[in-house]
Amino acid sequence: DGGITQSPKYLFRKEGQNVTLSCEQNLNHDAMYWYRQDPGQGLRLIYYSQIVNDFQKGDIAEGYSVSREKKESFPLTVTSAQKNPTAFYLCASSIRWGAYNSPLHFGNGTRLTVT
Amino acid sequence: DQQVKQNSPSLSVQEGRISILNCDYTNSMFDYFLWYKKYPAEGPTFLISISSIKDKNEDGRFTVFLNKSAKHLSLHIVPSQPGDSAVYFCAARAGQFYFGTGTSLTVIP
Repeated sequence: DGGITQSPKYLFRKEGQNVTLSCEQNLNHDAMYWYRQDPGQGLRLIYYSQIVNDFQKGDIAEGYSVSREKKESFPLTVTSAQKNPTAFYLCASSIRWGAYNSPLHFGNGTRLTVT
Repeated sequence: DQQVKQNSPSLSVQEGRISILNCDYTNSMFDYFLWYKKYPAEGPTFLISISSIKDKNEDGRFTVFLNKSAKHLSLHIVPSQPGDSAVYFCAARAGQFYFGTGTSLTVIP
C-alpha cells in the first residue's frame, strides 16, 4: 500500500532541545511539504520541496530546518529557536508541484509536546 | 492574512439530510480547490477537488461547487451519514496550498 509514514506519532522534548520528525513516502511523488496545525487554525506551511535536493521556506519557516536528500524522505527538524514548537505536524506529498488535478496526500501526523 | 476562510466553525445536520459546507477566498489566482476530511489526531483525507475552469464536480454523495465571481466554494453531502462527522477543511492552490480553519460537521442519527 502506498502512503506517507510519519514517525513517531507522539513526541515529547524538553525546551532547548532540537528534535527531528520523520516523513517517508512510497508514492513516488516529487513534491513534499510540512504543515503545522494549531487549535482553531488552518494548516500553515512550514517548508516545501518541489524535487530532490531542493526546498523552500513556507509561511512559518523560522525555527525549523529540512533536508531532501532522497525522493522518498523529507525530515523536519524543530530547533530550539522555534518559540512555540508544541503543535501537530503534518507531512504531505503531491505528484508534482503545480500539476493538474494533483491533490496533497497527508501522513497521520506527529504530535510534538515541548515542556 | 487568511486567503481562505471558513466562517462556520461548526454545523449540525440530521442523518439523511443535506450538509452544506462553505468556503470563501480572496485570491483570484487560485487555480485548484479541494476539500479534506479530518478526524482528531489523524492526517486530512482528500475528498474531492475542482479546477478553476469548472463550476461543479461530483463524486458519489459529494459535490463541490465553485462560484468564481463570488469567490465562493461549497461542499454538498447528500445524504449525510453519521460517519461523515468530522472536521472539513477547504483548500486552494496558487503555487502552494492554502487552507481554511475548518468546519466541524456533526451528523445526528
